[in-house]
Amino acid sequence: KQEVTQIPAALSVPEGENLVLNCSFTDSAIYNLQWFRQDPGKGLTSLLLIQSSQREQTSGRLNASLDKSSGRSTLYIAASQPGDSATYLCAVRLMDTGRRALTFGSGTRLQVQP
Amino acid sequence: KAGVTQTPRYLIKTRGQQVTLSCSPISGHRSVSWYQQTPGQGLQFLFEYFSETQRNKGNFPGRFSGRQFSNSRSEMNVSTLELGDSALYLCASSLVSGGAGLQETQYFGPGTRLLVL
Repeated sequence: KQEVTQIPAALSVPEGENLVLNCSFTDSAIYNLQWFRQDPGKGLTSLLLIQSSQREQTSGRLNASLDKSSGRSTLYIAASQPGDSATYLCAVRLMDTGRRALTFGSGTRLQVQP
Repeated sequence: KAGVTQTPRYLIKTRGQQVTLSCSPISGHRSVSWYQQTPGQGLQFLFEYFSETQRNKGNFPGRFSGRQFSNSRSEMNVSTLELGDSALYLCASSLVSGGAGLQETQYFGPGTRLLVL
């Protein structure tokens, strides 16, 4: 069974810091990995999607990397801002025909202090 | 282009009742997936519909069901509600299902928060 783990569960940093969020998964047979942001009580906003053949994706201050062989992904946030405060979730889509729905990690709750 | 919309946004029911939640995908999107989010279990997949057919189903009891209409709008129904069904129910849409659709981003709606008393 695919397990997705995110470390740390919570993180508090001062504004301006660069930070790294980690995601690990047990089954490397994936189509892709997606990073989402969730604000309290809200839905999910897609941040970055990395296909299994890619190593990284960048959008603005965000950079996500994927190492499929080791079952790891990182989300790098540069020059953090208070508006980045949210829960960040990673999700993988497996190649297994019967299990192609997204499998989510439990998230990292980020607080950026002004 | 309007995003994924879900109605109602908030709902309070009592044990034993049934509930129907609605999801309208992004215009042109034909695949709709449903997820349940709870503090204890996190985000869990319920089911996926494409062209009015259920393509995939998660590990939930038969009390949870869904359907999709010809205009791609989807509904999910929970019968005989239990306290543990209290959750945020999220709907996600993508253009296609399977094949190229597996490489696509899923776009999520704001969710319906269900409280069972």
